[in-house]
Amino acid sequence: EAGVAQSPRYKIIEKRQSVAFWCNPISGHATLYWYQQILGQGPKLLIQFQNNGVVDDSQLPKDRFSAERLKGVDSTLKIQPAKLEDSAVYLCASSLARGTGELFFGEGSRLTVL
Amino acid sequence: GDSVTQMEGPVTLSEEAFLTINCTYTATGYPSLFWYVQYPGEGLQLLLKATKADDKGSNKGFEATYRKETTSFHLEKGSVQVSDSAVYFCALVNFGNEKLTFGTGTRLTIIP
Repeated sequence: EAGVAQSPRYKIIEKRQSVAFWCNPISGHATLYWYQQILGQGPKLLIQFQNNGVVDDSQLPKDRFSAERLKGVDSTLKIQPAKLEDSAVYLCASSLARGTGELFFGEGSRLTVL
Repeated sequence: GDSVTQMEGPVTLSEEAFLTINCTYTATGYPSLFWYVQYPGEGLQLLLKATKADDKGSNKGFEATYRKETTSFHLEKGSVQVSDSAVYFCALVNFGNEKLTFGTGTRLTIIP
């Protein structure tokens, strides 16, 4: 069974530029999550989708971050414009059911903002 | 709100040593508790879980017992191996919330 795929693995941009990350969840997983992991901290949930609807985006900085999940499968997370404090690893995860806590994570996309 | 506190790392042990990584939580109600592990160059993966008080989760020689009276879920292993070197995250999910809340992680290094 293929795991959660993410790209790119690494991205370096300058502040005020834009960046987009892509995620393909495990086939059949209806719930998709984007987490932000800043160095030395635990992952923080940015947004959760159920199929192509948003369940929780309470911690998403909506003035600069946006995310979509077209057709309830792939998802993209965009940052525009980026700030220095956005330097982090962006983790995508999926799960078969909501609320179980059993998530399958991708390897992450490491963003460095200069 | 819900939160998880882990012992600060990094932790360095010799092979075959006994391991304990402390984890305590704050949550309303009766959360489910988890340990996730991140091996070098890999994504986070679920190591073990417990869904109610006094449950013991176990996997790959690791164990953790859900202690409601002390709001703890400490991770233990009797004899660690070099291959156990990784970052370990304690986490919880609360019924009705659905959000998996993580601790800050503990980096474990095992020396041969």
